[in-house]
Amino acid sequence: QVTLKESGPGILQPSQTLSLTCTFSGFSLSTYGMGVGWIRQPSGKGLEWLANIWWDDDKYYNPSLKNRLTISKDTSNNQAFLKITNVDTADTATYYCARIDYRFDYWGQGVMVTVSS
Amino acid sequence: DIQMTQSPSSMSASLGDTVTITCLASQDIGNYLSWYQQKPGKSPKLMIYGATNLEDGVPSRFSGSRSGSDYSLTINSLGYDDEGIYHCHQYYEYPLTFGSGTKLEIK
Repeated sequence: QVTLKESGPGILQPSQTLSLTCTFSGFSLSTYGMGVGWIRQPSGKGLEWLANIWWDDDKYYNPSLKNRLTISKDTSNNQAFLKITNVDTADTATYYCARIDYRFDYWGQGVMVTVSS
Repeated sequence: DIQMTQSPSSMSASLGDTVTITCLASQDIGNYLSWYQQKPGKSPKLMIYGATNLEDGVPSRFSGSRSGSDYSLTINSLGYDDEGIYHCHQYYEYPLTFGSGTKLEIK
């Protein structure tokens, strides 16, 4: 059974760094072809893809967030991470991680992040 | 970036109706297109992948099709449980993109 769960700080201030963790089970990020992605959704709005990381440590980022994103993984502990630097109110959203098996097939429940001074 | 133009943005239909939601891709995406259903406060659920493939466990009332750059999700015999927001998603090319969503209300 595949499960994913996101965790994060809940609230942070503008200019801080957002650190998110995706803890998963039921698959391994060392398996050929597997990946984990991060997607976010501001309240009442659409989905925005942020970054993917693959079994071979290949990484892809959404260029709209310029160089603010860093994705990484800890294969032995079944975790993936996303850092977003220099946050502002526009980064307020629910953040999801999802397994990639050619497509995003399993999603976590999401974690709400609020950026506020 | 590949733009996914999704329509309609919202719709209302009756029990038992058949509805179709469409996404127009701004460039070729092959069949690298998924459809997700999202209910309030929940994460998206994969319904269709590869444009036409039904995800395991999804009712056969759901189907996906392609005509050129137009990708469609059709839901037959609408039930109350089909209410939600539907999102299309292209995974052909980075940056990955989503449609703007279609809110489906069951009358």
